[in-house]
Amino acid sequence: DTGVSQNPRHKITKRGQNVTFRCDPISEHNRLYWYRQTLGQGPEFLTYFQNEAQLEKSRLLSDRFSAERPKGSFSTLEIQRTEQGDSAMYLCASSLQTATHSYGYTFGSGTRLTVV
Amino acid sequence: DQQVKQNSPSLSVQEGRISILNCDYTNSMFDYFLWYKKYPAEGPTFLISISSIKDKNEDGRFTVFLNKSAKHLSLHIVPSQPGDSAVYFCAAKGSARQLTFGSGTQLTVLP
Repeated sequence: DTGVSQNPRHKITKRGQNVTFRCDPISEHNRLYWYRQTLGQGPEFLTYFQNEAQLEKSRLLSDRFSAERPKGSFSTLEIQRTEQGDSAMYLCASSLQTATHSYGYTFGSGTRLTVV
Repeated sequence: DQQVKQNSPSLSVQEGRISILNCDYTNSMFDYFLWYKKYPAEGPTFLISISSIKDKNEDGRFTVFLNKSAKHLSLHIVPSQPGDSAVYFCAAKGSARQLTFGSGTQLTVLP
């Protein structure tokens, strides 16, 4: 296992199109997070999963955004009817949470979305 | 409302000297703080962290200091190396599971 993998690395789409990104976390990690980063800003939390359950969603996650993590393994983030303001780097991270310890995040390299 | 602030967008330091990156936070419920380093076209990489029960944590050339009363933390890198040139993000965590990040500081270490 070489870390958190995100695909594609880059995506250019026309406004109004739907896009889907995939994240493969570290296999033994039970938590998976999605963040968005725009130019000059730090990553902003979007949502997170504990195994297959989506436990929290940010107000940033509009109705056009949906995330899934079937079977608690890989996750997908879909953006419907993309807008130019959706252009950003979408980062996925995973971590291991046990009954007694919370381990740090490992981030993937991100998917850079450009909406034209 | 920006709960974690990094007021210096950039910092340049000579190789071998100390780099000091600063971070301020407003949420007193934060109890765990982290620094991440990010190279272009890569995701953030964990560097060092500190719990609110401590005021200092050291790992090799990296030391993080926490001043709870001032709601301020800093990252010291000594000696600085050209390979340390990257964007550094401060992040904080409270009872919520997610991290709240600052906007980052671009560190440039000059040879």
